[in-house]
Parts: sequence; structure tokens; C-alpha cells
Amino acid sequence: DAKTTQPNSMESNEEEPVHLPCNHSTISGTDYIHWYRQLPSQGPEYVIHGLTSNVNNRMASLAIAEDRKSSTLILHRATLRDAAVYYCILRDRSNQNTGGFKTIFGAGTRLFVKA
Amino acid sequence: GAVVSQHPSRVICKSGTSVKIECRSLDFQATTMFWYRQFPKQSLMLMATSNEGSKATYEQGVEKDKFLINHASLTLSTLTVTSAHPEDSSFYICSARDRGRGATPLHFGNGTRLTVT
Repeated sequence: DAKTTQPNSMESNEEEPVHLPCNHSTISGTDYIHWYRQLPSQGPEYVIHGLTSNVNNRMASLAIAEDRKSSTLILHRATLRDAAVYYCILRDRSNQNTGGFKTIFGAGTRLFVKA
Repeated sequence: GAVVSQHPSRVICKSGTSVKIECRSLDFQATTMFWYRQFPKQSLMLMATSNEGSKATYEQGVEKDKFLINHASLTLSTLTVTSAHPEDSSFYICSARDRGRGATPLHFGNGTRLTVT
């Protein structure tokens, strides 16, 4: 079962920042927080991931709460191409070397971007 | 970056026929690949975990005799939908992880839209 909770949808204006929240109150010490997004009729695309510290890459920033029970994906300037479903997922690093751990998707947040 | 190629992107078949979907990791080796199914307006549902050189592990409720998975090499996994019926029409997506790297992201194919008439 998915262990994260996200709002069903959010709306943003183009060129403005977007903060997408995710709650994972039952996160374990070995769980990484991953974010993926899915554009219509495409497979999901990796966005960012982190463990404890905030992370930045060319696509987004990830802010992780000190207790790790929640996180926020930050798109600094939303564009129309960022309209997608964003999934927040926990992945257990204790199984990472076996390669066998599963990734379960929740419902995600559908982001609408207005021009 | 790592690329996962999925083929075909779209297929239409008649009820009762079988369809094979291929998933290839193009620039990395993947000991494990995952197969998902997605219905319109819904999230991805994990169907099975494909392990190179061994039998796939199916999620509860997924018929292994209907959805045959073969992972014959470190770069190729196939999903065969046998005796397809209209209710099998869906968007099928594969993903893979680079075995050579630690806590790495999953890389996804672009999906296969299956329509059974």
C-alpha cells in the first residue's frame, strides 16, 4: 500500500513557484523520498529524491521536514510543460542492493498550470 | 541519462489473441524490472517484479498465467498478455533500476497503450 498522502490537485500560475506537499508520517529510517511526474500518455519521469537534507537539481528542489514526516517539492517557476501528475514515493534503501524492492504509487497530485 | 525503451507504443488486437510488450534498458544493466498497469484517470498499479534469470514475482490478484513475464537478459524484459480480452485494455508501463548504482531512481518506459477489440 502507498505510504504517502498528497492533495488530489493543485493549481498554479505560469512563472510562479509551486509547492507540492507530501505527508509520510510512517516513514522509516531506511526510506528515501522520491518524486516522479507523469505527463499525459507518457511513463513517469524522475524528478528528485532525498533522504534527510534538502536537495536541489535542475528540475526542482526538495525540502524535507526535520522529522522526515513530510516533504515539499518546489518548482521555482512553473511553466505550462510542468502540468502533470506528481507522485511522492518512499523507497526502502535497505533493499537497494538486491534490486528487488518495489515502488508503489499513490494517487499523486495533478498540477494545473494557468497561462 | 539512463533510457528505458518500451515497444510497441500502441497496439490494437482482437479478443483472444496474445500481445508481447518489450522493455529494454538501453545504457545500463537492470537485474530487476517492474511492470505496471494504468487505467484512465488512475494511478499506476504494480503488476509484477521481473528478475533476470528467475521467475517473476506477481502482485496479489494478478494472474501469472495471463500476464507472462520473461527477463532473459540484463537489458530485456517482456510482458505477454495472453488471450487478451477487452478488459485488458490499458496503459502498460515498465521500469528498471541500474543495478550498478545504489539508491538510484527508477527509469520508466513511455508505456504501451493496449486496445483489445
